[in-house]
Amino acid sequence: TQLLEQSPQFLSIQEGENLTVYCNSSSVFSSLQWYRQEPGEGPVLLVTVVTGGEVKKLKRLTFQFGDARKDSSLHITAAQPGDTGLYLCAGEGAGSYQLTFGKGTKLSVIP
Amino acid sequence: NAGVTQTPKFQVLKTGQSMTLQCAQDMNHNSMYWYRQDPGMGLRLIYYSASEGTTDKGEVPNGYNVSRLNKREFSLRLESAAPSQTSVYFCASSDGLARTDTQYFGPGTRLTVL
Repeated sequence: TQLLEQSPQFLSIQEGENLTVYCNSSSVFSSLQWYRQEPGEGPVLLVTVVTGGEVKKLKRLTFQFGDARKDSSLHITAAQPGDTGLYLCAGEGAGSYQLTFGKGTKLSVIP
Repeated sequence: NAGVTQTPKFQVLKTGQSMTLQCAQDMNHNSMYWYRQDPGMGLRLIYYSASEGTTDKGEVPNGYNVSRLNKREFSLRLESAAPSQTSVYFCASSDGLARTDTQYFGPGTRLTVL
């Protein structure tokens, strides 16, 4: 079974601060996705990364896939209250259509 | 477009009761999925349907059955509910199974089994 460990589990920061959350595994993934989930709703896809070393930017969010395709990070610049939510990473293993989800990082941005 | 809809939103069952969770999508997607989300466990795949007429087991299929009724609808049935099945259940759909095919999630069904 492939496992994805996310850290930190909880993060509470002030508006305007920068933050990074991590998604790590001992397994290689053919692709990795990041989702944001708000209370009472389903996850919403933010980005998919497929190439080792790939960096993608989505406004103030920067996503990086590790060179060995075993880890990923999400960096948020100048966090805003609207960034509050549960951030989930999910990996697709080689030869598998199934996504393995991490347990998530719960982010609170305080105005 | 409504996207992915799920009914009911909330349900309380007694141990041993049965029920069916309904899911429908209006995006003409080929693939559909059922996940459960438990505190401290993340989302885990129960069953998926790559296309109309096919279903396959995911990571945690025991105690569940599914039916891909048509291209739009994918239902999840609990034949004899157990307290361990207390969870939030999410249905999702995607155009296909390729890594670049985005999965769109419904709002979830919150199930409590007493």
